[in-house]
This record gives sequence, structure tokens and C-alpha cells, in this order.
Amino acid sequence: GIQVEQSPPDLILQEGANSTLRCNFSDSVNNLQWFHQNPWGQLINLFYIPSGTKQNGRLSATTVATERYSLLYISSSQTTDSGVYFCAGGPGAGSYQLTFGKGTKLSVIP
Amino acid sequence: GAGVSQSPRYKVAKRGQDVALRCDPISGHVSLFWYQQALGQGPEFLTYFQNEAQLDKSGLPSDRFFAERPEGSVSTLKIQRTQQEDSAVYLCASSLVTGPYEQYFGPGTRLTVT
Repeated sequence: GIQVEQSPPDLILQEGANSTLRCNFSDSVNNLQWFHQNPWGQLINLFYIPSGTKQNGRLSATTVATERYSLLYISSSQTTDSGVYFCAGGPGAGSYQLTFGKGTKLSVIP
Repeated sequence: GAGVSQSPRYKVAKRGQDVALRCDPISGHVSLFWYQQALGQGPEFLTYFQNEAQLDKSGLPSDRFFAERPEGSVSTLKIQRTQQEDSAVYLCASSLVTGPYEQYFGPGTRLTVT
């Protein structure tokens, strides 16, 4: 099956700093998603981004499908951005189960 | 409904007991997925339904795990004779089958087996 590698595993930022999280896939993926898991365990959808670039406020994401990676950019980080960020992808262009990475644990300190 | 809902949110079971976890998907979402998330790990796939048909159960860890979705909406994940290694958060997700295929997750059920 698909292997998903996320980096870095842990990240500590001063409030206001920018960061880039990376996700590499071992094979072609579709239905690529980025999630933020808050301290209560809820997975919050950030981006559905099989390819291309999207932006939502201080967050943006880019997926280069041909090179099997995706990047999540967080600008002007806030303490509420703390939590675990997961990327996940499915094997085909359709309704398939997602394979998740191990996540990046982000701590934003005031 | 507004989102995926799951119940109960927390469940404590003694080893050997049977448990049933419920998932209500987003209205109109044909696809439904169950995932298991161990502490400090990403969610891992358990099983997938399209309407009432269970199309993939390759992720179920043993024959003690059973899932159903008899009317194509609400789904139940049942674990028989629970073991300590079953302790985890069980997440349910739903999506459209015609696209886009973005999955939306419920809040999860945290199962603790003592």
C-alpha cells in the first residue's frame, strides 16, 4: 500500500513565525487532504488538494502530484494553530480509504 | 445533519465485554469509512461502505470486529470480547461517491478497555 511520510515530526514556533510542513507519498495518490487535529481529537478539514495550490487565510497548500509531495504553509502562526497536522491520500480517482502520515505536532508559543 | 456525529464519545469496557459504536454520516453521503487511531499515531483504515454494501473490510484487525450499515445511513462498529489492545479512538468519516471525494470526520469514540 501507499506509504506517507510527514516532516518534521515536531515543530515549535514563536507566535508570528511562518512554517512549512511536508508530506511525501511512495506512490501516486488522489483525494489528498490536509487535516488539523485539535486538542480534543477532532479532525478539521484544511484542504482537499489532489493537485495545484489553494489558499485559505493564513494557510495555503501546494500539491505536486507528478513528484508525489504536498506542502502546507502556515503564516503568522497563532497559539490556536497548535495541534497535530496530518496529510492523507487515497490510491485512486474515486471514493477510497485514506492512508495517513504520522503527523506533525506543532506547538506555537506566545 | 450539520456534520458526522458519533456516539458514545467515551466508552470504558471491561476486558471480554462487547461494545457497539455508532456513526451518523452527513446526510446524502453515500460513502462511509471507519478508522482506528492509536495514541500518537495517524488514523488507520478499518472498513468502507457504499450505501449498505461493505465494499472493503481489509483493515479490520480480527474477526472480533464487525461493522454494518443496514439501511445505508447509520453505521455501527461492533467489537466482541474486547481486549486491551482494542483501546483507541474510533473515527467515522463520510463522503460523496460522485465527487468531490473529500472525507469529513466525526469527533470519534474513545474506547478504553480495562
